[in-house]
Amino acid sequence: NAGVTQTPKFRVLKTGQSMTLLCAQDMNHEYMYWYRQDPGMGLRLIHYSVGEGTTAKGEVPDGYNVSRLKKQNFLLGLESAAPSQTSVYFCASSYAGWGRPLHFGNGTRLTVT
Amino acid sequence: AQTVTQSQPEMSVQEAETVTLSCTYDTSESDYYLFWYKQPPSRQMILVIRQEAYKQQNATENRFSVNFQKAAKSFSLKISDSQLGDAAMYFCAYRSPMTLIQGAQKLVFGQGTRLTINP
Repeated sequence: NAGVTQTPKFRVLKTGQSMTLLCAQDMNHEYMYWYRQDPGMGLRLIHYSVGEGTTAKGEVPDGYNVSRLKKQNFLLGLESAAPSQTSVYFCASSYAGWGRPLHFGNGTRLTVT
Repeated sequence: AQTVTQSQPEMSVQEAETVTLSCTYDTSESDYYLFWYKQPPSRQMILVIRQEAYKQQNATENRFSVNFQKAAKSFSLKISDSQLGDAAMYFCAYRSPMTLIQGAQKLVFGQGTRLTINP
């Protein structure tokens, strides 16, 4: 059972470079999310999606874009990376409906120099 | 906006003993979900336990139980018979009520508590 798979696991970027993080889930979940985790701040929501072709902004969306062209995939893009985007990024997914738990991937550690 | 506070950045406990992790939250809503997630060194976020606010009975999952005090807006996690495998970062999270985009489960997380188990 793959669950939620994130690629890559690690990445180092120079300031101004771009990259895309890929999240794939095989549980047929309707909802998908991107969070970032920084020391002492817990996880903060970047963007989320309630279905194929739809996305919405979370708590800290600036500097990121997302796309959900297929139900099972949710892409997070950084167009021009900044050192402030150094973080661990988590993708999660869930079924629709009240109280359904989120299932998380293993995270991507991104360093921007 | 809802906030979640974990006031203990670090905790430690002897193996086989009991430890309680604290969590408080702020909300004006009457119904909501609360969660505890565990993050071991592998980095994966693992659901430990969840509680719906309108249910007065405290949730229990094997050695893990919660003390949910709705009026005090407190949601502590008790780990009984602590094991070495319990060592991890623990996050408390609040699930906000349904938004305009129906049903999206936006979790608000606390800062985390790092739990160390001493053999």
